[in-house]
Amino acid sequence: EAQVTQNPRYLITVTGKKLTVTCSQNMNHEYMSWYRQDPGLGLRQIYYSMNVEVTDKGDVPEGYKVSRKEKRNFPLILESPSPNQTSLYFCASKRTGPGHYGYTFGSGTRLTVV
Amino acid sequence: QKEVEQNSGPLSVPEGAIASLNCTYSDRGSQSFFWYRQYSGKSPELIMSIYSNGDKEDGRFTAQLNKASQYVSLLIRDSQPSDSATYLCAVNTDKLIFGTGTRLQVFP
Repeated sequence: EAQVTQNPRYLITVTGKKLTVTCSQNMNHEYMSWYRQDPGLGLRQIYYSMNVEVTDKGDVPEGYKVSRKEKRNFPLILESPSPNQTSLYFCASKRTGPGHYGYTFGSGTRLTVV
Repeated sequence: QKEVEQNSGPLSVPEGAIASLNCTYSDRGSQSFFWYRQYSGKSPELIMSIYSNGDKEDGRFTAQLNKASQYVSLLIRDSQPSDSATYLCAVNTDKLIFGTGTRLQVFP
C-alpha cells in the first residue's frame, strides 16, 4: 500500500529534551515536506526537500532541523523543544516533474511539550 | 491579505442537500488547485484537483475554477453525515499553500 508513515503518533516530552519524529514514504516521491497544524492557523510548512541532500526552509523553520540522506526518509528533529512547539505535525510527500500532483500525508504526530 | 482564504464555517446543510465550499487566492500565477478533506484529528486526504478553468466532476464532488476571479469552489451533491469534516483548499504557486479550512456539518 502506498503510504507515508510517521512515528510516533503521540509524544509528550519535556522542554529541552531532544526528539526526532520519523517519516518514511514508499512511493519513490522526490518531494517531502513537514507541516505543523495549529487551531486557526492552518497548515504551515516547516521544511521541505526537493530530493536527497536538498532541503530548504518553509514558513516556520525556527527550532527545527531536518535531513534527507535517503529518498524515502525525512526525519524532523527538535533539538531543544519548547512549549510553543506543541502542535499536530504532518509529513507529506508528492511526485515532481511535468504535471500537477497533490500531497500524500502521513497520519500525523501529536506533540506536547511541557 | 491571506494568500488562500476560506470561510471557517461551520457550514451546516441537511442530508441530501448540496454543500458549496468556496476559496479565494491572491497569486494570479497559481497553476494548480486541490481540495482536501480532514476529519477531526486525522490527516488531510486529497479528494479533488483542478488545473483548468471550468468544472471537474468526480462522483458526488465537483470542483470549479475561475482563474480570472481567483476563486475555486467545491460542490458536494447529496451530502451525507459522513461528509462532515473540515475541507482545506490548497493552491500551488511555487509551493503549496493551504487555507485554514471550512468546517462542514451535515445533519440528518
